[in-house]
Amino acid sequence: SSELTQDPAVSVALGQTVRITCQGDSLRSYYASWYQQKPGQAPVIVIFGKNNRPSGIPDRFSGSSSGNTASLIITGAQAEDEADYYCNSRDIKNDHVLFGGGTKLTVL
Amino acid sequence: QVQLQQWGAGLLKPSETLSLTCTVSGDSVRSYYWSWIRQPPGKGLEWIAYVYYSGSTNHNPSLKSRVTTSVDRSKNQFSLNLSSVTAADTAVYYCARGQRGPHDYDWGTYRYNWFDPWGQGTLVIVSS
Repeated sequence: SSELTQDPAVSVALGQTVRITCQGDSLRSYYASWYQQKPGQAPVIVIFGKNNRPSGIPDRFSGSSSGNTASLIITGAQAEDEADYYCNSRDIKNDHVLFGGGTKLTVL
Repeated sequence: QVQLQQWGAGLLKPSETLSLTCTVSGDSVRSYYWSWIRQPPGKGLEWIAYVYYSGSTNHNPSLKSRVTTSVDRSKNQFSLNLSSVTAADTAVYYCARGQRGPHDYDWGTYRYNWFDPWGQGTLVIVSS
């Protein structure tokens, strides 16, 4: 199906590592990109493609992929990482764009 | 630094047409895939459409034929029209620059896309 599925909420202790996942058939063929969105702000790209990090994004953010699952990994989560995270990919059948439903990350 | 500045009416009545425009600074619309994405209050992101500088477009089939997008190369702008709006179209609308990864010759196509940067967002409320 042409959908991307994310866990609605994930929590992590300050300084620990957290994995946010995104599942979908399209991810068997295509890579996910990841966005961070804080309240009242537009989304910001944090990882695109296999594991590309835009300038200005801390190196504690990384991406990985296996089978139909893509992951955003935050190694040593900080308080400022508390946000909503969205994955996106292209549709497996055409050039349409897919977004996951989003994951709310809480840093404890 | 590329910046997108968007504007348009924020309050519409049912059956009216939503019109938004996004001006690009620091880059030319003669490249990339200029995109529209929306986010209903308290919900996730939904891709609406993209338009290439040549005028070719693609849109979310769930919006059927209500979507029209265009590029104005002379003004370095791109626009979105969404007709026959209902309360379900109430959302923050974002414009964004869409990019694609390189052609993967083993796969015969590009293997990823991403959106960066984004406009500041426009809250559009549809209410009678």
